[in-house]
Amino acid sequence: LAKTTQPISMDSYEGQEVNITCSHNNIATNDYITWYQQFPSQGPRFIIQGYKTKVTNEVASLFIPADRKSSTLSLPRVSLSDTAVYYCLVGDTYSGGGADGLTFGKGTHLIIQP
Amino acid sequence: DTGVSQNPRHKITKRGQNVTFRCDPISEHNRLYWYRQTLGQGPEFLTYFQNEAQLEKSRLLSDRFSAERPKGSFSTLEIQRTEQGDSAMYLCASSLSDAGLREQYFGPGTRLTVT
Repeated sequence: LAKTTQPISMDSYEGQEVNITCSHNNIATNDYITWYQQFPSQGPRFIIQGYKTKVTNEVASLFIPADRKSSTLSLPRVSLSDTAVYYCLVGDTYSGGGADGLTFGKGTHLIIQP
Repeated sequence: DTGVSQNPRHKITKRGQNVTFRCDPISEHNRLYWYRQTLGQGPEFLTYFQNEAQLEKSRLLSDRFSAERPKGSFSTLEIQRTEQGDSAMYLCASSLSDAGLREQYFGPGTRLTVT
């Protein structure tokens, strides 16, 4: 069971780049890394997913080193509306992989200040 | 709106009563998931379906909980003989299982309060 470890909370300021790191030492060969964002009283929202190296989309980048034992979500130029909880999930989402890829953990509470 | 919908949005019930929640996934999505979330915690996986087949069920899920997805469309989650510890937000999500589109789309949730 690939478990993840994230910081409980982080603070930053508007306009800064924020990097949230997730450790997943027991990641398996078939596992993907997925990040979700959740605002209060809403369901989580998919941000980005990757397997190795770097993935970038319109809202974030995901950096995965060669050993894949950690990953870093990078949010460029954050704003107040990026204040949310960010979850890192690891699992084999292609085949469903049982529930391993569906374990959210406690996430990282990111607070953006003016 | 073509997103995931859940009904009701809020439910207050007395201990010992049965409750049923409904989830309507995005129409072309063949996978449907149920989660439970309590304050300060991340969503906890309960079960998931691929089409009408229930493929996985959390070992932590009490036998008072049952889920169905007849005809592979909407799903219901029933909790029998509710307890105060069942008070939580119940989230539903759906996804495709095809390669290239694996993210889950979540509904707004049903908040259950057991008094």
